[in-house]
Amino acid sequence: DIQMTQSPSSLSASVGDRVTITCRASQSVSTYLNWFQQKPGKAPKLLIYGASSLQSGVPSRFSASGSGTEFTLTISSLQREDFATYYCQQSYSTPRTFGQGTKIEIK
Amino acid sequence: QVQLQESGPGLVRPSGTLSLTCAVSGGSISSDNWWTWVRQPPGKGLEWIAEIYHSGSTNSNPSLRSRVNISVDKSKNQVSLKLTSVTAADTAVYFCARDSSAHYYGLDVWGQGTTVTVSS
Repeated sequence: DIQMTQSPSSLSASVGDRVTITCRASQSVSTYLNWFQQKPGKAPKLLIYGASSLQSGVPSRFSASGSGTEFTLTISSLQREDFATYYCQQSYSTPRTFGQGTKIEIK
Repeated sequence: QVQLQESGPGLVRPSGTLSLTCAVSGGSISSDNWWTWVRQPPGKGLEWIAEIYHSGSTNSNPSLRSRVNISVDKSKNQVSLKLTSVTAADTAVYFCARDSSAHYYGLDVWGQGTTVTVSS
């Protein structure tokens, strides 16, 4: 199995802050890397696919980059509705594993 | 647009079989997509369970493979998941989701999830 490791596991930030989350794969996943946002009691929402492509309808303050084993998700100016948990997932091979999640909390 | 709706018993006895269905509306189960099950134990992260293509091709998580059966019913436009010999560790919210045929475009459509508790 490919292990996905996110850092940090949690962070506190303020509205307007720039936030970056890192995701590392235990072996190359090329650009088969997706990012999801999840709010309590809700299903995950796809933000980014193919490591850097913004899903339709997702605000442009979200961006992502990376390939191989190292990836980042950046929120350029954190909004109140962005406080949530974020997961990366590799879809390169089965099982299509998720990172453990990064919870963004209000400072 | 495509919508997914999970359903099934909310309570399953230990050693029993968990049976869930995912109804697809607004689109065909025979479209060029994989249909995926993901679960989330209370307070924990997401775990990929299995996926199926309408042709019947399947992939499953090795950690669950011996207990998982995933199938598609084209006449009902739905996907089913069965998990045998359940324990308390199988207590979770179970989601179904749509994946592209090439697995490159992400799980773009999700059901709202159904909660399953394993308890006597």
